[in-house]
Amino acid sequence: NAGVTQTPKFQVLKTGQSMTLQCAQDMNHNSMYWYRQDPGMGLRLIYYSASEGTTDKGEVPNGYNVSRLNKREFSLRLESAAPSQTSVYFCASTVASGGAAAYEQYFGPGTRLTVT
Amino acid sequence: AQSVAQPEDQVNVAEGNPLTVKCTYSVSGNPYLFWYVQYPNRGLQFLLKYITGDNLVKGSYGFEAEFNKSQTSFHLKKPSALVSDSALYFCAVRGPYNTDKLIFGTGTRLQVFP
Repeated sequence: NAGVTQTPKFQVLKTGQSMTLQCAQDMNHNSMYWYRQDPGMGLRLIYYSASEGTTDKGEVPNGYNVSRLNKREFSLRLESAAPSQTSVYFCASTVASGGAAAYEQYFGPGTRLTVT
Repeated sequence: AQSVAQPEDQVNVAEGNPLTVKCTYSVSGNPYLFWYVQYPNRGLQFLLKYITGDNLVKGSYGFEAEFNKSQTSFHLKKPSALVSDSALYFCAVRGPYNTDKLIFGTGTRLQVFP
């Protein structure tokens, strides 16, 4: 049971390049999330998926797209990277909605992205 | 709007001493409150939660938190700090409209000195 896995762990991009961050969970969770973590800002939600086939914008969605490929996988795409997207990106998942356990999120190890 | 505030960027404490990491909240409706911990180069880990019931909730690694409705606070505590408790701690609140979203605070770095 690997929990939540993310690839890659590190990435350096030039401004304007594109890339996809991959996330997968093996806990049969319904809800998945993408966050970015910046110093002094805490974690901010980029996108959220309550179930396979559904996605919803979070607090900072501009410049990103997501795809909930199936129940296990939730990818984050940067179409044209900008220096402001330099950050650490975390994927998380949780059980089905409707109860207090839905807020116990399980996090991946993160992807450290630098855009030059 | 739902929000949490962590007024201290860093808390320093000597090993063996009690520790407190502060969190205040602002919510409409009943608060669902959480604490998460992040060790260096790792993702966040769930520590404990308050949904309803006893104001003192116990969590992982000997941590506990006290819910105070009149002061709108949810401070994290531990009676005796360990060097291994050194990490970044985040308070969080359930997002609006009872969705499965969390609103995180900006985090407090806890440094425990031997």
